Amino acid sequence: EVQLVESGGGLVKPGGSLRLSCAASGFTFSSYSMNWVRQAPGKGLEWVSSISSSSSYIYYADSVKGRFTISRDNAKNSLYLQMNSLRAEDTAVYYCARDGSSSSWSGYFDLWGRGTLVTVSS
Amino acid sequence: DIQMTQSPSSLSASVGDRVTITCRASQGISNSLAWYQQKPGKAPKLLLYAASRLESGVPSRFSGSGSGTDYTLTISSLQPEDFATYYCQQYYSTPPTFGQGTKVEIK
Repeated sequence: EVQLVESGGGLVKPGGSLRLSCAASGFTFSSYSMNWVRQAPGKGLEWVSSISSSSSYIYYADSVKGRFTISRDNAKNSLYLQMNSLRAEDTAVYYCARDGSSSSWSGYFDLWGRGTLVTVSS
Repeated sequence: DIQMTQSPSSLSASVGDRVTITCRASQGISNSLAWYQQKPGKAPKLLLYAASRLESGVPSRFSGSGSGTDYTLTISSLQPEDFATYYCQQYYSTPPTFGQGTKVEIK
């Protein structure tokens, strides 16, 4: 089955760190660019970060630049998001999402995980 | 960043109705537009990309159109499973940005 499964969310204090993981299965993970998209409670969708298939290209939203680090391990079919210096406004469901093209960077997201909730609160 | 503005923010409709949602970009995006459907507690689901291309497995009652800065999602005959929130997203430039969402509710 083609799927993405996120893990690693939880409750963390402001200023703390958390590492999210996304396990991919059912497709050739190493062929796709991957993304993290978040959704604050009751709010809309916000793109967080993208990484190309070979990790050559990485992009971040201004809101997380310098605090979050995206990475991937193609041998383990896994995507990661290291989140440091967390703030209350980082509270959200974090989704792992696959890029829509296996041959180039499309920019839209055709496969999403169920998400993992990150709560930043004292 | 390109701002995406959806209208309306919410609407009430009945089963069988034709529903139209619009999305306006703050600058031209050359049809680099996707539409997603999200149901409560679930992940978003891709419906259309390149403004009008239907994702595999998506019912043909969903269609998209537009050009330049203005785009439209149309549901030709609303079904019970279509009550959800819909988001547009531009991928013409980084960062990719989403509209604020349109909630389609039962009338």
